[in-house]
Amino acid sequence: ETGVTQTPRHLVMGMTNKKSLKCEQHLGHNAMYWYKQSAKKPLELMFVYNFKEQTENNSVPSRFSPECPNSSHLFLHLHTLQPEDSALYLCASSQEGRNHSPLHFGNGTRLTVT
Amino acid sequence: DQQVKQNSPSLSVQEGRISILNCDYTNSMFDYFLWYKKYPAEGPTFLISISSIKDKNEDGRFTVFLNKSAKHLSLHIVPSQPGDSAVYFCAASGAPSGGSYIPTFGRGTSLIVHP
Repeated sequence: ETGVTQTPRHLVMGMTNKKSLKCEQHLGHNAMYWYKQSAKKPLELMFVYNFKEQTENNSVPSRFSPECPNSSHLFLHLHTLQPEDSALYLCASSQEGRNHSPLHFGNGTRLTVT
Repeated sequence: DQQVKQNSPSLSVQEGRISILNCDYTNSMFDYFLWYKKYPAEGPTFLISISSIKDKNEDGRFTVFLNKSAKHLSLHIVPSQPGDSAVYFCAASGAPSGGSYIPTFGRGTSLIVHP
């Protein structure tokens, strides 16, 4: 399997649930990202991990908790979400240190919070 | 405040004609620009890029033009094909922050190419 794989593809959860999104990249990249795509909004950067260290946290609420156990895997742990958190969550990877290396995206997890 | 703006949410073009997607930016520190294409139920895929030292970059049917003085770039698709129907995201990156060239994205333009 190649590229960036995200699971699950679809997730429906209640506001009191706890769930996790998973991302795995098979490209040998050293940086991984979480983006949020809401309708009619730009792609919003949430978190960046570079060599497993978190380097960016764009004022994301604490109900979103990232985890990067190694350079190939990235998780987004979700708890007590709000309906407005319903969106497409995209994982991406790139090779940092190589200037302007394009991001490689997964197919996303469509999250619905009820 | 949006630093990368795609003011046209949608564009409809006839097959065989030219599609022109526009993008404006406000941050003069941006020096590298990218276009991504996104089909429904898939993640964005990198399409073409341009450095600020150039004003044009061509790859097959896709050409990106950069006008630095106007802080404007455009993506031209010639000839347009029905398979080009997708959402196109403009992105820009600049001097690294913390050692990372993380791009800033626009809202996207939905292109529909009619047969």
